[in-house]
Amino acid sequence: KQEVTQIPAALSVPEGENLVLNCSFTDSAIYNLQWFRQDPGKGLTSLLLIQSSQREQTSGRLNASLDKSSGRSTLYIAASQPGDSATYLCAVSGGNNRLAFGKGNQVVVIP
Amino acid sequence: GAVVSQHPSWVICKSGTSVKIECRSLDFQATTMFWYRQFPKQSLMLMATSNEGSKATYEQGVEKDKFLINHASLTLSTLTVTSAHPEDSSFYICSASGGLGTDTQYFGPGTRLTVL
Repeated sequence: KQEVTQIPAALSVPEGENLVLNCSFTDSAIYNLQWFRQDPGKGLTSLLLIQSSQREQTSGRLNASLDKSSGRSTLYIAASQPGDSATYLCAVSGGNNRLAFGKGNQVVVIP
Repeated sequence: GAVVSQHPSWVICKSGTSVKIECRSLDFQATTMFWYRQFPKQSLMLMATSNEGSKATYEQGVEKDKFLINHASLTLSTLTVTSAHPEDSSFYICSASGGLGTDTQYFGPGTRLTVL
């Protein structure tokens, strides 16, 4: 069974600092990995999707890397803003369209 | 494109009653819909997978007689929590995929269920 772990569980950073969020998974036989954003009491917004054959994906200030062999992914958010405050979820797909989620990284960006 | 809605966004009910939650794909036809449950500060847990016109596949530990899932059309799936109890209080999120040429899941905004 795929286990997904995200550390740290929560972090606070001053505005302008870069954010580094980590995700690890136990079974490296994945199809793809996604990072989502979830605001309190809301659904999920997809941020980045990395196919198993890719090493990284970038969108604006966001960059996600994938090291499938070691079972790790990192989400970098450059020059953080208060609007980046949210919970970030990592999810891996085993190719059967079923997603295994981590518990999330709860981020607070302090103005 | 690829918008998924859920109704209601929140519901409060008495213990012992049944509650129905709808999940709709607004601008695409979803061959597969997924139902997740999320407890506070926990990850999303997949409850069941439903394909249009067939019976849902439930994850281990999820009672199919308690959580009734119907996927009667390519744009609508419903989750009915029967004889709800306070421990069923949770955030229920659906997702939909298919019909857009990829397996990407598009998530609904979620439904907060509180059972008194």
